[in-house]
Amino acid sequence: GAGVSQSPRYKVAKRGQDVALRCDPISGHVSLFWYQQALGQGPEFLTYFQNEAQLDKSGLPSDRFFAERPEGSVSTLKIQRTQQEDSAVYLCASSRGARTENTEAFFGQGTRLTVV
Amino acid sequence: AQTVTQSQPEMSVQEAETVTLSCTYDTSESDYYLFWYKQPPSRQMILVIRQEAYKQQNATENRFSVNFQKAAKSFSLKISDSQLGDAAMYFCAYRSMSFSNSGYALNFGKGTSLLVTP
Repeated sequence: GAGVSQSPRYKVAKRGQDVALRCDPISGHVSLFWYQQALGQGPEFLTYFQNEAQLDKSGLPSDRFFAERPEGSVSTLKIQRTQQEDSAVYLCASSRGARTENTEAFFGQGTRLTVV
Repeated sequence: AQTVTQSQPEMSVQEAETVTLSCTYDTSESDYYLFWYKQPPSRQMILVIRQEAYKQQNATENRFSVNFQKAAKSFSLKISDSQLGDAAMYFCAYRSMSFSNSGYALNFGKGTSLLVTP
């Protein structure tokens, strides 16, 4: 596709429900990032993939959060047993290079998750 | 860890006027990138302008320019001839030039909401 695509755009989950958020990066992009953006805040780093390898998951808030990118393209962020504090916009970004420092990140439109 | 501070939660400007958004950051690195992103209600982050720390010349992109003061660790965005379409959240972001396990992840400030009045 022409840009980074995320689905669904909106998700309402009942507390305790599991959710899965999808990110389709730009074709051929090696690097993929997930960010969490709470209401009124800037995005915060969650995790980073280089191809299919998850190199950093230090930003994941708890062990209820899990991300994968099994074939080095599409990525899924899964949240188990959702809590109200998980309500946020989840942004995905991809970039062409990995160790190429002069590489721009392109963002999707995010998924707004509301836990009720 | 690098921190980015935007001290103006909200700014307002009249159409055709000029507005400056402030950003300061903290880092021990000597080489890095700084960015301004625009986030309209559609939520998609759009890159407005980028500055490499090793470049002394301030970056400009049409009506957008920056005032980069490396010693003061200040990176402000000036929007000239403001247009209604400029209304959005604006985020200042820092990125290291050193590759790490988090790749080239961005550190964002909390954002400034820009209102443009006719």
